[in-house]
Amino acid sequence: AQKITQTQPGMFVQEKEAVTLDCTYDTSDQSYGLFWYKQPSSGEMIFLIYQGSYDEQNATEGRYSLNFQKARKSANLVISASQLGDSAMYFCAMRGLLYNQGGKLIFGQGTELSVKP
Amino acid sequence: EAGVAQSPRYKIIEKRQSVAFWCNPISGHATLYWYQQILGQGPKLLIQFQNNGVVDDSQLPKDRFSAERLKGVDSTLKIQPAKLEDSAVYLCASSSTRQGGSPLHFGNGTRLTVT
Repeated sequence: AQKITQTQPGMFVQEKEAVTLDCTYDTSDQSYGLFWYKQPSSGEMIFLIYQGSYDEQNATEGRYSLNFQKARKSANLVISASQLGDSAMYFCAMRGLLYNQGGKLIFGQGTELSVKP
Repeated sequence: EAGVAQSPRYKIIEKRQSVAFWCNPISGHATLYWYQQILGQGPKLLIQFQNNGVVDDSQLPKDRFSAERLKGVDSTLKIQPAKLEDSAVYLCASSSTRQGGSPLHFGNGTRLTVT
């Protein structure tokens, strides 16, 4: 069975500083993908970044980067130069990548990030 | 491209009443998901469709929840009768494929309050 663990219920960061949100996962699949989503108070889930289990380089998307450590089963999200608009819930999620694995996303409990001016 | 559309945005009902939610996925997306998100938790999958067939409904409380996607496009999720613990946000998502790294695209959700 797949499981995602986010151990930080809440985080504070000063505007313009970098912050790391932790995510560890458990799976017996060899082929899997890790995703991060942002959920502002308005409720929509916004896709941020993706990392495949066979990708050798860490994924980056603008100010977001994913620190992928496969042996430790961790996929931490790093946000550089935090902005006030980054205040939101952040979810780590995982899915198997093969067709017969179904494709559903399993989510963690989330981390609430607050950016202070 | 237009995103995932959901309606209504909010719904308040009394326990034992019935309610229905509607979702229209991104055009061309074959895979459609319904998630339940209870306050303070991550979303939990209720049901997944591939075109008009069910892929996974293992966590759907089938005694009270039902869902359909008759023509393989839009979908309806129904609760009958509702319980207090059904108060949650119901998120619909779609993806172009159920394999690989393509992300799920979510709608804005329907916030259900059962009193």
